Amino acid sequence: GQNIDQPTEMTATEGAIVQINCTYQTSGFNGLFWYQQHAGEAPTFLSYNVLDGLEEKGRFSSFLSRSKGYSYLLLKELQMKDSASYLCAARMDSNYQLIWGAGTKLIIKP
Amino acid sequence: DSGVTQTPKHLITATGQRVTLRCSPRSGDLSVYWYQQSLDQGLQFLIQYYNGEERAKGNILERFSAQQFPDLHSELNLSSLELGDSALYFCASSVGEEAFFGQGTRLTVV
Repeated sequence: GQNIDQPTEMTATEGAIVQINCTYQTSGFNGLFWYQQHAGEAPTFLSYNVLDGLEEKGRFSSFLSRSKGYSYLLLKELQMKDSASYLCAARMDSNYQLIWGAGTKLIIKP
Repeated sequence: DSGVTQTPKHLITATGQRVTLRCSPRSGDLSVYWYQQSLDQGLQFLIQYYNGEERAKGNILERFSAQQFPDLHSELNLSSLELGDSALYFCASSVGEEAFFGQGTRLTVV
């Protein structure tokens, strides 16, 4: 079956680094997405990984290991505005449907 | 602004009623996705249309239906509404890897 797991909630300090993990099991895999969602707002795209390795985009980086069914989102130099939920989603290769995790609520403290 | 427009933004209706949610995708995007997000929950994929045709179906109830019109806008119809249908309903469109989300319709069933 299909399953995506990520921690429910994490807390970090402003200026620090935090890593949000995501593990997935899908029947067929064609890429891993990370989205940011502030409360009551629409999700916004952060990253997409289809090959193994690290993709860096400013303060945010995303890593994928296909053999381990594992991804992480790394946020550096945390700012208060980074307080949000972070959703990972795996795309199935059969019909390109996205399977979404429940999201990790990240709380940033001063 | 993602370029995806959803109307209405808010909807309050009684149990047993029927409502229609509307989505206009970004110009040129052929795929439209509908998602349901209940309070503090992850995104639940409902259905996807591509250029007017149904492409994938998720956990969509039989009381719910959708369609995509020739001008590519889409409507999600929810009937025989129950209290548990209260949620944020998001529409997203894509032409490549990244999906762009509308601001959602917050449905409250009383």
